[in-house]
Amino acid sequence: AQSVAQPEDQVNVAEGNPLTVKCTYSVSGNPYLFWYVQYPNRGLQFLLKYITGDNLVKGSYGFEAEFNKSQTSFHLKKPSALVSDSALYFCAVRDGGYSTLTFGKGTMLLVSP
Amino acid sequence: DVKVTQSSRYLVKRTGEKVFLECVQDMDHENMFWYRQDPGLGLRLIYFSYDVKMKEKGDIPEGYSVSREKKERFSLILESASTNQTSMYLCASSLAQLNTGAFFGQGTRLTVV
Repeated sequence: AQSVAQPEDQVNVAEGNPLTVKCTYSVSGNPYLFWYVQYPNRGLQFLLKYITGDNLVKGSYGFEAEFNKSQTSFHLKKPSALVSDSALYFCAVRDGGYSTLTFGKGTMLLVSP
Repeated sequence: DVKVTQSSRYLVKRTGEKVFLECVQDMDHENMFWYRQDPGLGLRLIYFSYDVKMKEKGDIPEGYSVSREKKERFSLILESASTNQTSMYLCASSLAQLNTGAFFGQGTRLTVV
């Protein structure tokens, strides 16, 4: 089976500060990892993915994520948060035995001015 | 630009009604998915389809059925709507390859009264 955990329901950060949204995963094979963002009353938008290669992945809107195999983690990061980054963030995983994505429960990011 | 279109943004239906949620993608994707999103529960997979006329149950198929008569269209059917099916429904599509993510529609917020 595959699973994803996002341990924080909400992350609060001040504008201009760095942000981290945490994600850990469990798969039986090699993981394919994804981050999505959702703005209010909208569908999910793709941010970035890790398939193979460099452990630091860069994505849309200045976001990046670090894959750590030993800790089975894929944390989302941004060096300097914007108020407009406030949204719901989902981590997802897919492994070789499955055709579907499994999502975490989501983390609400609130960036204060 | 890739597109997944859900037929309605908001729907209000009565208990016991038969409800159809339609989803169309223009990317020639093999896989299509229906997820349900509820606060604190994240996204849960209802059904998915990897080819025309093929379907697989997800994590929460009870009370739902699906239809895929054409590659670009995937319908979710609530045979007899109940109030506990009030939720946000998200359609998604993806290529068959496991190293790709999924593209999402804008969501349908269904209220059953």
